[in-house]
Amino acid sequence: DGGITQSPKYLFRKEGQNVTLSCEQNLNHDAMYWYRQDPGQGLRLIYYSQIVNDFQKGDIAEGYSVSREKKESFPLTVTSAQKNPTAFYLCASGGFLGNTEAFFGQGTRLTVV
Amino acid sequence: DQQVKQNSPSLSVQEGRISILNCDYTNSMFDYFLWYKKYPAEGPTFLISISSIKDKNEDGRFTVFLNKSAKHLSLHIVPSQPGDSAVYFCAAKGESGTASKLTFGTGTRLQVTL
Repeated sequence: DGGITQSPKYLFRKEGQNVTLSCEQNLNHDAMYWYRQDPGQGLRLIYYSQIVNDFQKGDIAEGYSVSREKKESFPLTVTSAQKNPTAFYLCASGGFLGNTEAFFGQGTRLTVV
Repeated sequence: DQQVKQNSPSLSVQEGRISILNCDYTNSMFDYFLWYKKYPAEGPTFLISISSIKDKNEDGRFTVFLNKSAKHLSLHIVPSQPGDSAVYFCAAKGESGTASKLTFGTGTRLQVTL
């Protein structure tokens, strides 16, 4: 089955710890994205990658890091520098060209206590 | 600076009637627009899209209209059904030098009542 998989669905971490969220896709998509959604808020872009070994900061990249070593994978690390890490994190993938849609995973809810 | 705006946070429509969701954008470089539907605690699902070379795209009950001069697009759902109750996001692509970057609005919560 083709799709995009985020794991885990729920994640709890202590304040001050780094945590890495997984995102894997088997859709052969070049572009991958990480968004954050807070209660009652829209989707804010954290990082995106248009091709392997390349990624760009989105609108709220501070306190986050990513890597794109493989086409299929785009993990997101939430570092201790992120002031308000508790949120719903969404990963997506899509074609490199402009006129293509992106497909989303089911999301990871991160709670920092 | 919010480049994609959905000024109505919520909308309530009776079953069978038309739902109209609006979206405005400020970046004239955007050339591809998309609508997504989202349920709580789930990822958004793609609904319909439109290229800037068109002014209308239809798919079943869903139609998207684009007014480039006004930098405005709208999603029409006819007839509205209770299962359409969700949050709807518009999104845009095509900023210069970043063909893949996808920018979302803040969403409109649609409630379809019986």
